This record gives sequence, structure tokens and C-alpha cells, in this order.
Amino acid sequence: GQNIDQPTEMTATEGAIVQINCTYQTSGFNGLFWYQQHAGEAPTFLSYNVLDGLEEKGRFSSFLSRSKGYSYLLLKELQMKDSASYLCAVMDSNYQLIWGAGTKLIIKP
Amino acid sequence: GAVVSQHPSRVICKSGTSVKIECRSLDFQATTMFWYRQFPKKSLMLMATSNEGSKATYEQGVEKDKFLINHASLTLSTLTVTSAHPEDSSFYICSARVGILGDYNEQFFGPGTRLTVL
Repeated sequence: GQNIDQPTEMTATEGAIVQINCTYQTSGFNGLFWYQQHAGEAPTFLSYNVLDGLEEKGRFSSFLSRSKGYSYLLLKELQMKDSASYLCAVMDSNYQLIWGAGTKLIIKP
Repeated sequence: GAVVSQHPSRVICKSGTSVKIECRSLDFQATTMFWYRQFPKKSLMLMATSNEGSKATYEQGVEKDKFLINHASLTLSTLTVTSAHPEDSSFYICSARVGILGDYNEQFFGPGTRLTVL
């Protein structure tokens, strides 16, 4: 079956760095997405990786290793507004998004 | 950027009534729209995939007759929850994918609709 694993919850301190990991097993691969979702709101797009390596976008970076079925989202210089759930999703061979359960990130002052 | 709207944002209805939720792509044509359901503290659950001008493809376990989906145009899809019951209370989110599949397959999400059935 298809499976996306990511930690349920993480806690970090304002100004620090946090890495959220995602491992996946899917039928085919057409890219991996990271979304941010604040409580009661729809997800917003953060990043897309389809080739191995690191994609940097401001304070956020995303890494992909297709051979390991592994990705991480790196958040630097954490701000209180970064408190949210972070969803990892993989697009399979049918171009369907397979979603992880999300990682709730709690930022403490 | 691509914007997707949803209406209404919040609806409360009585058990047994039907509720229609609209999803519109405002500045692009969406050949494919997706309807998701999300329970508190859970991830998104795909309900159905909707292609313009054709019948929706429902995920296993989703009742077609209860969740009616119509994709009438390239910018509008509707989800109707028929004979709603309290267990249908949830956060419903639509998303739209731009044009033909290519290297970049981002889905743009609507703001979601919170349905409460009394």
C-alpha cells in the first residue's frame, strides 16, 4: 500500500531551526509537496521537489532523496507565526496526491 | 498567483437538509478539481476527483449519491451533501489543478467550508 510517515508533533524555540522529516512508499513518484496549514484554514503551498537535492526558498528549505524515499522541510529563524501543521504529500504515478497525517509544530518563545 | 474560492465558508444546517458548496478558480481554468474532507487533527482525505464535463471519480468508501459533484465549467465545481446528518459535519476543502499535467503539478486550495449539521 501507499504510506507517508511524518512525526505527529514537534516543539521548537523562536529563532531556532527545526527539521521535519517525511518518509514515503508510493506506487510511482511525480514529486513531493510540502504544505503549511494553520488551524481552521486550508493548506498553503510551501515547496515542490521532483529531483534529488535541496530547494531553498527564504527561511524554508526542502530536501528530497528519491532513492531513500525521504524528504525534510527545514525552517530557519523560527517565528511564532510558523506554529502550524506541516503536511507532506507525494504525487503518485496516477498524479494523485497521497497525504501524510501532518506534523503539528509548536513554537515557544 | 492562482486563486481558488469556496462558498460558503461556514454553514450550519438541520439534519436531513441538503447543502451545496461551490468551488471556483478565479484566474485560471481548472480541468481537474478535487474535493477533500478533513476531520479535526487529521490529514486531508480525498473524496473525489472531478474533471470538467465528465462524471466525478469517487474514492473508495465515499457515497456517490450522498456527495453529488458537478463540474459544470472550467472554473466551477460544486459539492452537494444530500440529506446531511451530524456525522457529515466536517471541514470540506476543494483544490484545482491547472491545465495539462506537466512538470509542475501544484494544486491550489480553496479556503475551505466548515459544515455543521445539527
